[in-house]
Amino acid sequence: DGGITQSPKYLFRKEGQNVTLSCEQNLNHDAMYWYRQDPGQGLRLIYYSQIVNDFQKGDIAEGYSVSREKKESFPLTVTSAQKNPTAFYLCASSTFPGDEQYFGPGTRLTVT
Amino acid sequence: AQSVTQLGSHVSVSEGALVLLRCNYSSSVPPYLFWYVQYPNQGLQLLLKYTSAATLVKGINGFEAEFKKSETSFHLTKPSAHMSDAAEYFCAVSGVGNFNKFYFGSGTKLNVKP
Repeated sequence: DGGITQSPKYLFRKEGQNVTLSCEQNLNHDAMYWYRQDPGQGLRLIYYSQIVNDFQKGDIAEGYSVSREKKESFPLTVTSAQKNPTAFYLCASSTFPGDEQYFGPGTRLTVT
Repeated sequence: AQSVTQLGSHVSVSEGALVLLRCNYSSSVPPYLFWYVQYPNQGLQLLLKYTSAATLVKGINGFEAEFKKSETSFHLTKPSAHMSDAAEYFCAVSGVGNFNKFYFGSGTKLNVKP
């Protein structure tokens, strides 16, 4: 079955540590996205990539970094510079920017 | 810039009653419009989308939405609510310009009472 996988489902880290969230898709989509979701705040765009080896900052990119070395993969690193990293992180992909986005199951990150 | 407004962060209906979730958008050109559903601790699932074809769009799970250009609205309806419809619903818009970026509404939590 085609889809998007995110791992792990739950992640716990100590403050000051960098952590990388995985996102893989086998839908052959060019565009991929990372969102952050906090209670009552909807979805906020962190980074997006329209094509391999290219990515753009979203609305809340500070404290995050990404790479897009393969079409299928778009990992997100939450760095120690992110002041409030505890959140639910969602990865998505689409055939082209603006088309319907397909979402992964999400990763809940807790930093203490 | 485009934006999406969902009226009502929480909506409560009785089982069997009509579901109406409101969405208004601001756009200078006809957009693509979407409704997504999210169950707790899960990703978003597409319910339906409008891409300038028929103005009444039918989706999964008995939901439908009507695009009204004059009102810049795309409200989501279902004739009879089921307990399983309890979830959070997000309206989204995309369109030309700004790399066809997606804009999500802030979401509406639907509660279904027995």
